[in-house]
Amino acid sequence: ETGVTQSPTHLIKTRGQQVTLRCSSQSGHNTVSWYQQALGQGPQFIFQYYREEENGRGNFPPRFSGLQFPNYSSELNVNALELDDSALYLCASSEREAPSYEQYFGPGTRLTVT
Amino acid sequence: LAKTTQPISMDSYEGQEVNITCSHNNIATNDYITWYQQFPSQGPRFIIQGYKTKVTNEVASLFIPADRKSSTLSLPRVSLSDTAVYYCLVGDRNSGAGSYQLTFGKGTKLSVIP
Repeated sequence: ETGVTQSPTHLIKTRGQQVTLRCSSQSGHNTVSWYQQALGQGPQFIFQYYREEENGRGNFPPRFSGLQFPNYSSELNVNALELDDSALYLCASSEREAPSYEQYFGPGTRLTVT
Repeated sequence: LAKTTQPISMDSYEGQEVNITCSHNNIATNDYITWYQQFPSQGPRFIIQGYKTKVTNEVASLFIPADRKSSTLSLPRVSLSDTAVYYCLVGDRNSGAGSYQLTFGKGTKLSVIP
């Protein structure tokens, strides 16, 4: 069984640029959630996708957008990057119909905006 | 979503039992209590989940009193490798937007001392 993978591991961007982060779900999982974790804080929910449709959104502006593909992999896109977007971005997959609410997290992508 | 309160940090010696208590006064009827563990530069990892009374698995126990306004994560005989941040989360799987969306606080930083 393959776990959740994310790419790239690290990324440096300039303010105003756009970035795309990628996530491959664990095999058999149909739900993907994205989280932003600033240094010293807990992860903050960005949004969730279930079967290619957005299924809930946290308190993030529209310049944060996403996609989920038929194979349940996912992308997080951030436009017009700001310095405060520097953070660890975490992807988590889960099986919506499973009795447990457990989410399986990837190792994250460390984004630095300069 | 119910707000949770937990200690910012705790220290423990190796081999001791550690209990981390989380308060969630406004927990709703359908809410479950879940604990995650996070090591530096890694995604959170599911530890345990419960609804009421006591739940035990191979790594931890979760005690939930009858009023469910608090819960206690118990880690038996901790080792240095248990040094991590522990998050208590409360939420409803079907909170209007579908699958369980995790709301993390700042967590409890546990330091295990040799």
